[in-house]
Amino acid sequence: QQQVKQSPQSLIVQKGGISIINCAYENTAFDYFPWYQQFPGKGPALLIAIRPDVSEKKEGRFTISFNKSAKQFSLHIMDSQPGDSATYFCAAEEANTNAGKSTFGDGTTLTVKP
Amino acid sequence: EAQVTQNPRYLITVTGKKLTVTCSQNMNHEYMSWYRQDPGLGLRQIYYSMNVEVTDKGDVPEGYKVSRKEKRNFPLILESPSPNQTSLYFCASSLSGGEQFFGPGTRLTVL
Repeated sequence: QQQVKQSPQSLIVQKGGISIINCAYENTAFDYFPWYQQFPGKGPALLIAIRPDVSEKKEGRFTISFNKSAKQFSLHIMDSQPGDSATYFCAAEEANTNAGKSTFGDGTTLTVKP
Repeated sequence: EAQVTQNPRYLITVTGKKLTVTCSQNMNHEYMSWYRQDPGLGLRQIYYSMNVEVTDKGDVPEGYKVSRKEKRNFPLILESPSPNQTSLYFCASSLSGGEQFFGPGTRLTVL
């Protein structure tokens, strides 16, 4: 049973547009929800993360929206740029009770066209 | 420079020949993990370690071994590699859970 489901698998957006990637989870014990960005040939790097005590977190052009009741969270990239073209992974972790055990989504390949 | 290093970066081997992929971090992190990345399957956790001599299975531990004898090192051992272990492997570390810092990856091909 996949515990974190990510969609879409791929996404093409025009420069300046909004990119939206969604994730849904099953385990209500998850309490840390990061998004990682991966460029070709590199390891993933943390982009932004949220804990379930807030419904939204914004860092520059990147925003996480979190819906605890629906067990869903999403990444919004405003004013998308060609340099944002990468693979994005959502993840979930029981940071307080089982730190270290991480579950990732399948990834979304984002292409931002100039 | 704070970093996670992995060696080798590329490896081609044959079925059944034991191999070790090394991972080292210089950030004094408690937690370390190994992941494999396959197209369309995202990152799947193989093993993780909460501290020296403390390890636990991730989602896909079959065919792999790990050890954590020192805080900075977390090698991944394939005792008898098989072609289905051909993959891109990442080591990661974190201070106490939460944000993970990933290494550059090791691309393994098992013939």
